[in-house]
Amino acid sequence: EDQVTQSPEALRLQEGESSSLNCSYTVSGLRGLFWYRQDPGKGPEFLFTLYSAGEEKEKERLKATLTKKESFLHITAPKPEDSATYLCAVQADGATNKLIFGTGTLLAVQP
Amino acid sequence: EADIYQTPRYLVIGTGKKITLECSQTMGHDKMYWYQQDPGMELHLIHYSYGVNSTEKGDLSSESTVSRIRTEHFPLTLESARPSHTSQYLCASSLAGGEQFFGPGTRLTVL
Repeated sequence: EDQVTQSPEALRLQEGESSSLNCSYTVSGLRGLFWYRQDPGKGPEFLFTLYSAGEEKEKERLKATLTKKESFLHITAPKPEDSATYLCAVQADGATNKLIFGTGTLLAVQP
Repeated sequence: EADIYQTPRYLVIGTGKKITLECSQTMGHDKMYWYQQDPGMELHLIHYSYGVNSTEKGDLSSESTVSRIRTEHFPLTLESARPSHTSQYLCASSLAGGEQFFGPGTRLTVL
C-alpha cells in the first residue's frame, strides 16, 4: 500500500536555527514527490516537485532533496514567517494524478 | 500564481439542509479535485474529474456528489448535511503534471 510518513509531527525552532523535516514514502513506483506549505485556515501552497533520487530544489530559505526512500525539507536560518504546516505528497506510477498526503509537520519559529 | 476560488469560505448550517460548495479556476486546467481535511489530519481525496462530463469517486467514501459541466467549474453538493460532514473542503486543479494548485478552502460546520 502506498504510504507517506512525515516527522517530526511538530517542531519548534528559534529564529536562525536551521533544521530539516523528513518525509518517508512507500510507493510501487514514484512519479513525483511534492512539498506544500499550509497556513492555518488556508489551502496548501505549492512549493516543490521532485522526480528522481538525487534531485534538489531551492526557494529562499527552503531546500528540498530526494532519495529513493525519503525526502528532506531543509530550512536554513528560518524566520517567524516560515511558521506553517509543511505537507509532503507522492504520486505513484499509474496513479493518474492522484496524490497521497502525509499528515504534515507543524513548524513554529520563535523570534 | 494559482487562480482557484472557493465559496463560501465559511458555512454553518443545520442538519438536513442541502448545500453546494463552489469551486472555480481560471487557469484552463483539465483536472480538478475535491479533498476533505480534518484538523491535524492528512488530505483525503473524495472526488476528481479529468475533464468536462468526467467525474470519479476518490479514495475516501463520501456522501457528496460533484458535476463538471464546464471546464472551469467543479461544484460539490451535499443533499442532506449531517454533523459528520463537518470538515474543511479543499478544491484543487492541475494540468498534465502532478503538481496540484489549491483553493483557500471551505470550512463547513453542520449543527
